[in-house]
Amino acid sequence: DSGVTQTPKHLITATGQRVTLRCSPRSGDLSVYWYQQSLDQGLQFLIQYYNGEERAKGNILERFSAQQFPDLHSELNLSSLELGDSALYFCASSEGLADTYEQYFGPGTRLTVT
Amino acid sequence: AQKVTQAQTEISVVEKEDVTLDCVYETRDTTYYLFWYKQPPSGELVFLIRRNSFDEQNEISGRYSWNFQKSTSSFNFTITASQVVDSAVYFCALSEAPGGGNKLTFGTGTQLKVEL
Repeated sequence: DSGVTQTPKHLITATGQRVTLRCSPRSGDLSVYWYQQSLDQGLQFLIQYYNGEERAKGNILERFSAQQFPDLHSELNLSSLELGDSALYFCASSEGLADTYEQYFGPGTRLTVT
Repeated sequence: AQKVTQAQTEISVVEKEDVTLDCVYETRDTTYYLFWYKQPPSGELVFLIRRNSFDEQNEISGRYSWNFQKSTSSFNFTITASQVVDSAVYFCALSEAPGGGNKLTFGTGTQLKVEL
């Protein structure tokens, strides 16, 4: 158990809908990351937040947005969902900002768009 | 742009065999970190090791060992005396620090199947 929690574990929704994925980092970790794992794209970095501020951005679609709250939990919002958004979404956390810190991953949220 | 290549898509071995998973990376950074993660059938990503670019010493942890060679841009992972519980997808990753942040670039993974 990495100490990173994600809810829900599974999510099934229809095209065009909007969903919110939630992540609680390990105790003491200030950075939260979101990754997407799909069959065609593999594991891709989406976005990093550190202590409430966005610090690094990857190939995150404009339909997707994230935020980190004062209690350090984070939410990833996915809107206007398409079939291709079906994937396993991971949250990770690390103690600090830079790449000197290893990232610990949560169990993931499996999103199925029908 | 950074890139991680895991050329072996799938490897099958018989229990107790040794197996090496290859990882080749590309980066323009002089300072970087390399990682290995394990993804068992249950789906979670388990951190195995982090190695910084200045430390080329091999590392051993139980049945696991890692060989980092900067000259060939490789960071290979060997499992000695493999066990069925080692069956998983293994990912090699390279860190990047855009604007002081942190992101991992993953390889496509190697599916390891260990059979009795």
